[in-house]
Amino acid sequence: AQKITQTQPGMFVQEKEAVTLDCTYDTSDQSYGLFWYKQPSSGEMIFLIYQGSYDEQNATEGRYSLNFQKARKSANLVISASQLGDSAMYFCAMRSISGGYNKLIFGAGTRLAVHP
Amino acid sequence: KAGVTQTPRYLIKTRGQQVTLSCSPISGHRSVSWYQQTPGQGLQFLFEYFSETQRNKGNFPGRFSGRQFSNSRSEMNVSTLELGDSALYLCASSLATSTLTYNEQFFGPGTRLTVL
Repeated sequence: AQKITQTQPGMFVQEKEAVTLDCTYDTSDQSYGLFWYKQPSSGEMIFLIYQGSYDEQNATEGRYSLNFQKARKSANLVISASQLGDSAMYFCAMRSISGGYNKLIFGAGTRLAVHP
Repeated sequence: KAGVTQTPRYLIKTRGQQVTLSCSPISGHRSVSWYQQTPGQGLQFLFEYFSETQRNKGNFPGRFSGRQFSNSRSEMNVSTLELGDSALYLCASSLATSTLTYNEQFFGPGTRLTVL
């Protein structure tokens, strides 16, 4: 079965500091993709970063980086230099071949609060 | 380029009624996926349409149905509404590929459905 686990219901961080949001996944597929999305209170899901299972380098997108440890099946999101606007829900998601083309399996999410 | 649009943004219905939600994907995107988000169940995949055909389906009862038109716009319909159908319904569009390559899904703002 495909599953995403986010064990941190809530996190808080001081502005300008870095924060790591945890994500572990379970799949028997060799080919899969991992995503992180941000959901502000407005509800829209905003794509942050993507990591393919065959990518050798950890993905980075601006202040976001994905710490991909394939053997541990973890894909943690690191946000550097946190900003007040980073306060939101963050979801880790996975897509795999057996799951079907564009079907994303989401974790329960982590609510991040950035304090000034 | 215009993003994914969903209409209506808010909807209030009563039990037993039916509802139709609409999603217009990003121009050129042929795949449209639907997700339901509730506090209790989190984000769950409903179905995906590609070229007017349902390509994948989640574990939802038959009351939930959808379709896609030739211009890639999609609608989802929920018949005989139940209180538990109250949720944020998100639509996502993407370029469709047949292999598991980088294939970002862009989400719309969602339709918040309240069933009384």
